[in-house]
Amino acid sequence: NAGVMQNPRHLVRRRGQEARLRCSPMKGHSHVYWYRQLPEEGLKFMVYLQKENIIDESGMPKERFSAEFPKEGPSILRIQQVVRGDSAAYFCASSYDAATNEKLFFGSGTQLSVL
Amino acid sequence: EDKVVQSPLSLVVHEGDTVTLNCSYEVTNFRSLLWYKQEKKAPTFLFMLTSSGIEKKSGRLSSILDKKELFSILNITATQTGDSAIYLCAVRKTGTASKLTFGTGTRLQVTL
Repeated sequence: NAGVMQNPRHLVRRRGQEARLRCSPMKGHSHVYWYRQLPEEGLKFMVYLQKENIIDESGMPKERFSAEFPKEGPSILRIQQVVRGDSAAYFCASSYDAATNEKLFFGSGTQLSVL
Repeated sequence: EDKVVQSPLSLVVHEGDTVTLNCSYEVTNFRSLLWYKQEKKAPTFLFMLTSSGIEKKSGRLSSILDKKELFSILNITATQTGDSAIYLCAVRKTGTASKLTFGTGTRLQVTL
């Protein structure tokens, strides 16, 4: 009965490198959400995906950020050409059904540090 | 713009004390309000409130929603050191799937 699994827990990148964050939802969940938490701030919505579809990306920066949730495998949040301002904790959450299950279950997050 | 404001920002109490955490919100098309507890890892779900005046309880924790005055409170009685955490309030609007708008949280520290 594993929960939402995120890896890596910590990721260090130099400016200009790419960061790939992975999220495996809870078993049976087909809805995935990515949130970002900056120091001393609340979680900010980034993107909501179902299998193979991006449903809502209104919180994603227009450049360098992308997300996918393929038919097989985990959801991936990709940040290209990272900058220091990308340093944050990135949380993934999942739910069984967006319409009937409003409780999101969160993973432990990936702490991204950009040097 | 949707807003969720939590107060106080931080709080230090002694074990055994009772605390009240506040969450006020300004959103259009409100659907539900959720409380999460965040320790060093994943935010864990505490309560979901959709109706005014109905208290939700779980052990020493309880919460209530006032949709007229647009706020919720989270009470913790007989606090323990294990209650030390950041408590997050979030609001969901209708028609937005499960996208949540979070407050910045209240950092609670319970000392011996």
